[in-house]
Amino acid sequence: GAGVSQSPSNKVTEKGKDVELRCDPISGHTALYWYRQSLGQGLEFLIYFQGNSAPDKSGLPSDRFSAERTGGSVSTLTIQRTQQEDSAVYLCASTIPNGGALYEQYFGPGTRLTVT
Amino acid sequence: QKEVEQDPGPLSVPEGAIVSLNCTYSNSAFQYFMWYRQYSRKGPELLMYTYSSGNKEDGRFTAQVDKSSKYISLFIRDSQPSDSATYLCAMSAIENFNKFYFGSGTKLNVKP
Repeated sequence: GAGVSQSPSNKVTEKGKDVELRCDPISGHTALYWYRQSLGQGLEFLIYFQGNSAPDKSGLPSDRFSAERTGGSVSTLTIQRTQQEDSAVYLCASTIPNGGALYEQYFGPGTRLTVT
Repeated sequence: QKEVEQDPGPLSVPEGAIVSLNCTYSNSAFQYFMWYRQYSRKGPELLMYTYSSGNKEDGRFTAQVDKSSKYISLFIRDSQPSDSATYLCAMSAIENFNKFYFGSGTKLNVKP
């Protein structure tokens, strides 16, 4: 079946412009995560959705970053007034939480954002 | 101090070698420990996970957790060129198991 998809795969934008990154999770997966992966920095947690609500958005680095999820499916990460330090790969993952037991996150291929 | 520390490498080994990858962590509340493999330009994929302390084996891969030392390891036996990738450790605590803390990843190159 289809995995997690993300679009665009690559995005080059000028400093100060807004960008929208999209994530299509695996059908039926209720939980969705956004991460940022900078060179040599590993994955940095940004936000977690359960359904359409975001119980944990503690990783969003500034108020320029926002995310929403509609219909318990597609999610959009928006970065306003982009800065060069926003350049990174943005990864989305989805899963079905299992009552506290460990569960596998399925990752998309990421969106590579370059801010010039 | 980062929650999870991981040597970035790169680590270069000949085919057939035993590979040891490691992470240390500072939060004693971590109970779930995972290893992800990430090929270039792809998202990470779960390789193995363990709960609390102990060992877990899956084919050529063995994961070890030493909670007293806050140290986890992934061993790869009979390494293959197809194992060349970046390996990331990740962990979470029971009280907030939705939040995963990742290491920065170790890049492994297995030479034929």
